[in-house]
Amino acid sequence: AQKVTQAQTEISVVEKEDVTLDCVYETRDTTYYLFWYKQPPSGELVFLIRRNSFDEQNEISGRYSWNFQKSTSSFNFTITASQVVDSAVYFCALSEGSGSEKLVFGKGTKLTVNP
Amino acid sequence: GAGVSQSPSNKVTEKGKDVELRCDPISGHTALYWYRQSLGQGLEFLIYFQGNSAPDKSGLPSDRFSAERTGGSVSTLTIQRTQQEDSAVYLCASSIRRNGRAPSSYNEQFFGPGTRLTVL
Repeated sequence: AQKVTQAQTEISVVEKEDVTLDCVYETRDTTYYLFWYKQPPSGELVFLIRRNSFDEQNEISGRYSWNFQKSTSSFNFTITASQVVDSAVYFCALSEGSGSEKLVFGKGTKLTVNP
Repeated sequence: GAGVSQSPSNKVTEKGKDVELRCDPISGHTALYWYRQSLGQGLEFLIYFQGNSAPDKSGLPSDRFSAERTGGSVSTLTIQRTQQEDSAVYLCASSIRRNGRAPSSYNEQFFGPGTRLTVL
């Protein structure tokens, strides 16, 4: 069975601090995909990144970076120099590489960035 | 609009009544998903449609839940004899789903704004 664990329920930081959101996953599939979504107070889920199981390269996009490590089944997300607009709930998700490719979500981490 | 749209945005109903929730996917997206977001259960998969294939209904919580997708586009999620535990935000997502299992055949899901269902 697939499972995603986001152990941090809530994180609060001060603007300009760096913050890392943890994600640990479980799957028996050899082909799978990992995602991060952002859910701001408005409620709509916004896609941030997709990673497939064959590509362990880390990725950086502006202030966002992702560290994918198959050895520890982790896909952590770091925001550098956080801003108030980064305040949201962040979800990590896993999809198997066959069938419906439905997303299995973690419980989410609520990030609050204070001015 | 260019994104996934859902209607209504809010629905309040009485226990025992039936409700219908609508989803308009992004034009050209062949795959359509329904999820449910509630405080206790987080985000849960409900059902998946892809082209003319049989839908994956493995996430539907009971036989009171059903969904259809007409003409490969618009989808309707129906909940019969609603219960208070059905109260949640129902989210629809769509994606371009190409054939094959290669990594390039899979694309991210784009979500709609959701329908907040409250069962009194």
